[in-house]
Amino acid sequence: SAVISQKPSRDICQRGTSLTIQCQVDSQVTMMFWYRQQPGQSLTLIATANQGSEATYESGFVIDKFPISRPNLTFSTLTVSNMSPEDSSIYLCSVQGQGGYEQYFGPGTRLTVT
Amino acid sequence: GDSVTQMEGPVTLSEEAFLTINCTYTATGYPSLFWYVQYPGEGLQLLLKATKADDKGSNKGFEATYRKETTSFHLEKGSVQVSDSAVYFCALSKDQAGTALIFGKGTTLSVSS
Repeated sequence: SAVISQKPSRDICQRGTSLTIQCQVDSQVTMMFWYRQQPGQSLTLIATANQGSEATYESGFVIDKFPISRPNLTFSTLTVSNMSPEDSSIYLCSVQGQGGYEQYFGPGTRLTVT
Repeated sequence: GDSVTQMEGPVTLSEEAFLTINCTYTATGYPSLFWYVQYPGEGLQLLLKATKADDKGSNKGFEATYRKETTSFHLEKGSVQVSDSAVYFCALSKDQAGTALIFGKGTTLSVSS
């Protein structure tokens, strides 16, 4: 399984500001996924990030609000822009396992917007 | 569309009790099925998986069998411990590279000594 790290692990941000979350994988992967987990809720996919191309966003998520970069096969960033309290969530990145369809998750970034 | 339905929680048990968390799914084709666990303050960990009908996934004393006839993947453990207290998520994958997981809402398990 892949080892995934995320930075920051948590942050408290003011309304209207932006936060960039980093995701680093210890091996090269084609696709990375970004999920959001709102308090007490399940995981919702934000977007799929493929190296060298634009990220693919799920319904309800737009690039202007959640821009994603994928500069190489081991790294991705997710920015939460112009934040509001409704953006308070845990943001997780994940990668697909080798030879299977399970996914491995980073430890998450716990974001609180005041 | 595809979906996963889990039993509502919280589930509260005494140590050494038997655990069942129900999970059913709706999907076309032959998805892979997973159970993930999220311990307090931590990220998601893959607990077990099954990729085809009648497969049994197992790990750390937990088991789940892929039942295509009932579209179910119930999680069981014969004797729970306090350390099993966590949120458990059932999920499916459509078995295509680059396909995201579809998660159930999660079931909170609380085990007391």
